[in-house]
Amino acid sequence: GEDVEQSLFLSVREGDSSVINCTYTDSSSTYLYWYKQEPGAGLQLLTYIFSNMDMKQDQRLTVLLNKKDKHLSLRIADTQTGDSAIYFCAESEYNNNDMRFGAGTRLTVKP
Amino acid sequence: DGGITQSPKYLFRKEGQNVTLSCEQNLNHDAMYWYRQDPGQGLRLIYYSQIVNDFQKGDIAEGYSVSREKKESFPLTVTSAQKNPTAFYLCASSILGQGSVKRFFGPGTRLTVL
Repeated sequence: GEDVEQSLFLSVREGDSSVINCTYTDSSSTYLYWYKQEPGAGLQLLTYIFSNMDMKQDQRLTVLLNKKDKHLSLRIADTQTGDSAIYFCAESEYNNNDMRFGAGTRLTVKP
Repeated sequence: DGGITQSPKYLFRKEGQNVTLSCEQNLNHDAMYWYRQDPGQGLRLIYYSQIVNDFQKGDIAEGYSVSREKKESFPLTVTSAQKNPTAFYLCASSILGQGSVKRFFGPGTRLTVL
């Protein structure tokens, strides 16, 4: 089946930038998503990008998409302790209601 | 406010008992989903429904059952046949059709079997 892969852990210092990476295998992927999950809570949609875009920026968040390499990244500028959470990458196709999630990357921000 | 509610937040069950988790949405979404999350793992799809009175099995449906009698509601029953039910359960909803099918998630229910 199609896969979405992420590294499981990332640790950064407060104030640094965080970069969370994701790779996917489905060449038909049309939408790529980033979700944030705080401890004991549901998933919150942070942002998503259409596959004809290379980059999307929203305040401290920058999403980069390399469609050729099937690589997606989420950069968080000036990372704060409140950014500590699990970040999930996901993808879906244009005319298909399935959504495939990665296993999540646990971001720890140290003061 | 529009959103998805799940209740209860924490649930304890004795082995051999069935238990029902509630999920309600007021987003007027056609599709609803149940996911299971285990520590260090991603989300696994249990069941989903795209229309009232119809639902489909996901990747790990064994030991679970659902109903969709109303558009707003999609309860999940964890039966005694589920061998390892202790987990965090997430309900989600989305629009259907072409384009982005981003899921909106509820706050989750943590089920512990004693």
